[in-house]
Amino acid sequence: GQNIDQPTEMTATEGAIVQINCTYQTSGFNGLFWYQQHAGEAPTFLSYNVLDGLEEKGRFSSFLSRSKGYSYLLLKELQMKDSASYLCAVSRGTGGSYIPTFGRGTSLIVHP
Amino acid sequence: DAGVIQSPRHEVTEMGQEVTLRCKPISGHDYLFWYRQTMMRGLELLIYFNNNVPIDDSGMPEDRFSAKMPNASFSTLKIQPSEPRDSAVYFCASSQDRGGTGELFFGEGSRLTVL
Repeated sequence: GQNIDQPTEMTATEGAIVQINCTYQTSGFNGLFWYQQHAGEAPTFLSYNVLDGLEEKGRFSSFLSRSKGYSYLLLKELQMKDSASYLCAVSRGTGGSYIPTFGRGTSLIVHP
Repeated sequence: DAGVIQSPRHEVTEMGQEVTLRCKPISGHDYLFWYRQTMMRGLELLIYFNNNVPIDDSGMPEDRFSAKMPNASFSTLKIQPSEPRDSAVYFCASSQDRGGTGELFFGEGSRLTVL
């Protein structure tokens, strides 16, 4: 089985930095995704980490520690449009396939 | 290129009626996934296909749910008979085999309300 935990909700101020954590327990771990989902819309891809360490992509960075079963998404210079749900998803490799299982998501509210 | 296309975007039906949701994946993608999203459970994997073949349907909640993929460009998810607890947003997503990240591309979703 799999267990993916992330906070239900977070709030932050425009211009600030916020870190959204995700812990997981799974077999056959291959990598970890972060997706962004605005209300009423489909999830969209943000990042994918396979190796330990930090990957930076503009204002967004994602970190992975495979030994600790831990990841975080770091959002810098927050903007109002960053208000959305952020989904952590664990990718399990089975016979060459990559099957993502999602956490419940963290609803981020950015206020002025 | 067109993304994943789902229809209908919204459906309201009465308990006991049959519901059919449709999906056209991105051309060239080998994997197709059906997910269901609710406030209570989040995004749950129902079933996925590889090269049109169902690989894992362990997430399908009951025998009332069935999915088919008759060809590489079309899949359906059917609920018969529907119940109020089936109300949710149903997402279809596709990805490439060994495409590096296995990134999922989602359709806009089908919002189902069963009265």
